[in-house]
Amino acid sequence: DTGVSQNPRHKITKRGQNVTFRCDPISEHNRLYWYRQTLGQGPEFLTYFQNEAQLEKSRLLSDRFSAERPKGSFSTLEIQRTEQGDSAMYLCASRAPTFRQSGPEAFFGQGTRLTVV
Amino acid sequence: GDSVTQMEGPVTLSEEAFLTINCTYTATGYPSLFWYVQYPGEGLQLLLKATKADDKGSNKGFEATYRKETTSFHLEKGSVQVSDSAVYFCALAGGGIAGGTSYGKLTFGQGTILTVHP
Repeated sequence: DTGVSQNPRHKITKRGQNVTFRCDPISEHNRLYWYRQTLGQGPEFLTYFQNEAQLEKSRLLSDRFSAERPKGSFSTLEIQRTEQGDSAMYLCASRAPTFRQSGPEAFFGQGTRLTVV
Repeated sequence: GDSVTQMEGPVTLSEEAFLTINCTYTATGYPSLFWYVQYPGEGLQLLLKATKADDKGSNKGFEATYRKETTSFHLEKGSVQVSDSAVYFCALAGGGIAGGTSYGKLTFGQGTILTVHP
């Protein structure tokens, strides 16, 4: 079990540029979540995938944000035309299928810290 | 909607002191409750969990009991160590229908910074 992996760990970009982050969940975890965490706050839910289907999106996810999970394994989160307000830690988490009766907990990656200058 | 409220922080203690971090929640149904810990520059690690009323979660000397009557899940440790210094987050996962589209989504409190001095 290699845990949830996120890349890159840090990203500095100029305002207006596009960025893409990658998340590799724990193998066999069919549920994948993206969260955003700003300084001094708890993580806030962005979006949720069950297998390759994106089933829920927060209103925090503006039109500039898009997430994919094309084969139900890894996921990408893209931010177009970045703004300074996008600066945050972006966290990915995965969870096992409910039918396996594993615990309800999600396992988090180490996050990607985005700084928009 | 679901919400989690943690005690105002930060909390500063001396080594071997007793720790309590208060957490209350608002949710429909029967949520699962969690404490996660975050060390500087890192992601979140699950510290403990409880899935139904009166359950006690415990790990590494930390404990929390799911109190449905007071909608609380306070974190306690009898004797803190310098290595416990971190940010602690209380969270809930909505108790919706199993397999439902929102099942497992976490709602977090704002976090409590704990600093333990030698």
